[in-house]
Amino acid sequence: AQTVTQSQPEMSVQEAETVTLSCTYDTSENNYYLFWYKQPPSRQMILVIRQEAYKQQNATENRFSVNFQKAAKSFSLKISDSQLGDTAMYFCASPNNAGNMLTFGGGTRLMVKP
Amino acid sequence: NAGVTQTPKFQVLKTGQSMTLQCAQDMNHNSMYWYRQDPGMGLRLIYYSASEGTTDKGEVPNGYNVSRLNKREFSLRLESAAPSQTSVYFCASRRDSSTDTQYFGPGTRLTVL
Repeated sequence: AQTVTQSQPEMSVQEAETVTLSCTYDTSENNYYLFWYKQPPSRQMILVIRQEAYKQQNATENRFSVNFQKAAKSFSLKISDSQLGDTAMYFCASPNNAGNMLTFGGGTRLMVKP
Repeated sequence: NAGVTQTPKFQVLKTGQSMTLQCAQDMNHNSMYWYRQDPGMGLRLIYYSASEGTTDKGEVPNGYNVSRLNKREFSLRLESAAPSQTSVYFCASRRDSSTDTQYFGPGTRLTVL
């Protein structure tokens, strides 16, 4: 079975500082995307950023960027200039070996403190 | 453009009752998914439909059935609800391949007493 591991159940960061959330995965797919989703208290799952595995360049979306290490199967999310609205659960996801479904990690609860 | 919609938003059932959760998407996506999320945990796949007319089991299919009614709609049925099925249920869809983004509905909070 596929596993996606988020080793930090909870994290906190001061407003305006930078925080990094870690994720490791084990798909054997060659061409795949990896995803980070945010789940605020509203429960809605919101795509934060995605990374194309065949691209060496790390994806960035405004204050969000990834550190993608393909050989190590590591996919961490960096949030710069943290804002109170970033407080949420964050889930990373990778495809299974058949590429027909996503496997999600257990999540990291991020608290941004004023 | 509503994206992925789910009904109902909340539901309380008694053990043994049945119900159907409805999901619809208006993005012309081929693949649709049902997940459950238990407190403090990630999402686990119940069933998915790679295309209209096909359905497949995910990680936790026991106690559930699904119907891909047409390209837009994918329903999840609990035939005899159990307290262990108390959870938040999410429907999702994506266009086609593993490189496409999954888009999620707002979720249904189900409590089985």
